[in-house]
Amino acid sequence: KQEVTQIPAALSVPEGENLVLNCSFTDSAIYNLQWFRQDPGKGLTSLLLIQSSQREQTSGRLNASLDKSSGRSTLYIAASQPGDSATYLCAVSGTASKLTFGTGTRLQVTL
Amino acid sequence: SAVISQKPSRDICQRGTSLTIQCQVDSQVTMMFWYRQQPGQSLTLIATANQGSEATYESGFVIDKFPISRPNLTFSTLTVSNMSPEDSSIYLCSAAGTGQETQYFGPGTRLLVL
Repeated sequence: KQEVTQIPAALSVPEGENLVLNCSFTDSAIYNLQWFRQDPGKGLTSLLLIQSSQREQTSGRLNASLDKSSGRSTLYIAASQPGDSATYLCAVSGTASKLTFGTGTRLQVTL
Repeated sequence: SAVISQKPSRDICQRGTSLTIQCQVDSQVTMMFWYRQQPGQSLTLIATANQGSEATYESGFVIDKFPISRPNLTFSTLTVSNMSPEDSSIYLCSAAGTGQETQYFGPGTRLLVL
């Protein structure tokens, strides 16, 4: 059974810092990995999708990497801003597009 | 991308009653799913909603408790039956096209059972 873990569980950084969020999964037989952001009381916003054949994806200040063989992904956020404060979730896709979610990292960017 | 709406956005219900949640997608999609997010937890997949046939449930979830309908390629409902306080959660639907594509989520339905 696939298990997805995210470290750290919570993180507080001052504005402007670069930061890395970590995601690990136990079964490397995945189709893709997706990073989401969840704001309090809201649904999920998709940030980046990395196919299993890819090593990384970039969108603006966000860069996600995937090392499928070692079961790891990182989300790099450059020049963090208070608006980046949210919970970040990674999810891996197995058969039939079903997602297994990680435990989440709660990020707070302070002024 | 797909835009997904859910109704109701939130509800407070009495134990023993049932609530039906609606999920509407603005375009035809192949796959639709229902997830549950318990307080302070991450998301857990309840079932895959199959168009024109019975839903496929994950381990720990049964049709009698969470009946699901999907009459067409843009709409699905999830019913939470005979509710107890343990059913208090956020229920989210999601959708994806063919293949292994980005999965989009609705805003969720916040359910509190008293």
